[in-house]
Amino acid sequence: DVKVTQSSRYLVKRTGEKVFLECVQDMDHENMFWYRQDPGLGLRLIYFSYDVKMKEKGDIPEGYSVSREKKERFSLILESASTNQTSMYLCASTTEYRGGYTNEQFFGPGTRLTVL
Amino acid sequence: QKEVEQDPGPLSVPEGAIVSLNCTYSNSAFQYFMWYRQYSRKGPELLMYTYSSGNKEDGRFTAQVDKSSKYISLFIRDSQPSDSATYLCATNSGGSNYKLTFGKGTLLTVNP
Repeated sequence: DVKVTQSSRYLVKRTGEKVFLECVQDMDHENMFWYRQDPGLGLRLIYFSYDVKMKEKGDIPEGYSVSREKKERFSLILESASTNQTSMYLCASTTEYRGGYTNEQFFGPGTRLTVL
Repeated sequence: QKEVEQDPGPLSVPEGAIVSLNCTYSNSAFQYFMWYRQYSRKGPELLMYTYSSGNKEDGRFTAQVDKSSKYISLFIRDSQPSDSATYLCATNSGGSNYKLTFGKGTLLTVNP
């Protein structure tokens, strides 16, 4: 069964702390994504990785960085957390295009981060 | 103009009602159209997808795409309380373009 797991369901951090959100997928997918989801704003792409050590900025990368040292793991880093980064963070993965429809993204359960 | 527009609702209907959820998009290159369902405190899951224009039916759910008007619809027949969730439309141009463009989601509540 397809699975994307995220390290924490709920996280509370203080302003200025460095925060690591971890995502692991067991489907051998090449592509992984980090989104944040906020009421009224929907899902917004923060970063995207299409291969180990490769990354691409999404729509809202400011204040975030990512790391992908292994194919199955994609980490989101908040270098210095701020209150406006309080949000639901969702990780997703999808396989490489090999013909046919392959654009389904499989999502993790999300991490609800609160920055005080 | 946002690439994908979706009425956020909320939408509240009685059990058994027919539900219509809609999105519009602006990019003519979009070829694949998806509907994701997200239950409270969970990640989104793919419900249905269609390629190009046309209808696709799966049980009580029908996805419809009209590329000429850039309009995407999801119909739910005989709605059930278990259908209560946020529904997100998503689209992209397919192939090796892996990024999806999402609507903001519509919160649906089906009342018993």
